[in-house]
Amino acid sequence: NAGVTQTPKFQVLKTGQSMTLQCAQDMNHEYMSWYRQDPGMGLRLIHYSVGAGITDQGEVPNGYNVSRSTTEDFPLRLLSAAPSQTSVYFCASSYDSRSYNSPLHFGNGTRLTVT
Amino acid sequence: GENVEQHPSTLSVQEGDSAVIKCTYSDSASNYFPWYKQELGKGPQLIIDIRSNVGEKKDQRIAVTLNKTAKHFSLHITETQPEDSAVYFCAASFPSNTGKLIFGQGTTLQVKP
Repeated sequence: NAGVTQTPKFQVLKTGQSMTLQCAQDMNHEYMSWYRQDPGMGLRLIHYSVGAGITDQGEVPNGYNVSRSTTEDFPLRLLSAAPSQTSVYFCASSYDSRSYNSPLHFGNGTRLTVT
Repeated sequence: GENVEQHPSTLSVQEGDSAVIKCTYSDSASNYFPWYKQELGKGPQLIIDIRSNVGEKKDQRIAVTLNKTAKHFSLHITETQPEDSAVYFCAASFPSNTGKLIFGQGTTLQVKP
């Protein structure tokens, strides 16, 4: 049982490049989400999904796309990277689709630098 | 708007002392308040949570208290140990906005041996 797995662990991009951050969970959780962590700003919600085929925006969705074709996977796409997207990205899942009512399980993060 | 404020941003204590971290939230409808601990290079991990129908919850050296009237909740760690050194995040649910768990800014706790 691996929990929430994120790849890659580190990534450096040039401005304007695109890439996909991968997230997979093996706990059959309905709810999955992406957060970014910046110094002094806590964890901010980018996008979330309450089940396969359903996604919605969080607090800071601009510049990011998501899709949820399976229960297990929830990739985050950066369409055209900008230096402001330099951050640590965390994927999290929960057994309850009402994420506000059950614990989140986090991956170990992807550290992204955009130059 | 939806907001969670967390204080202090850094906290340094001697081993064996107690540590207290406080959070306030903006929505009186919030009903779930988890606390997460993040060790260096890892993702946050839930250490304790409390729901709005309970005023206090304890788990060994960790306790959380909730004051719904004042809209604030606190994490108390007693008999601190060096392995308690980490970043701690509070969070609050916002049921009026499905899928939203809003986090505080984080507190870096240092326990000096």
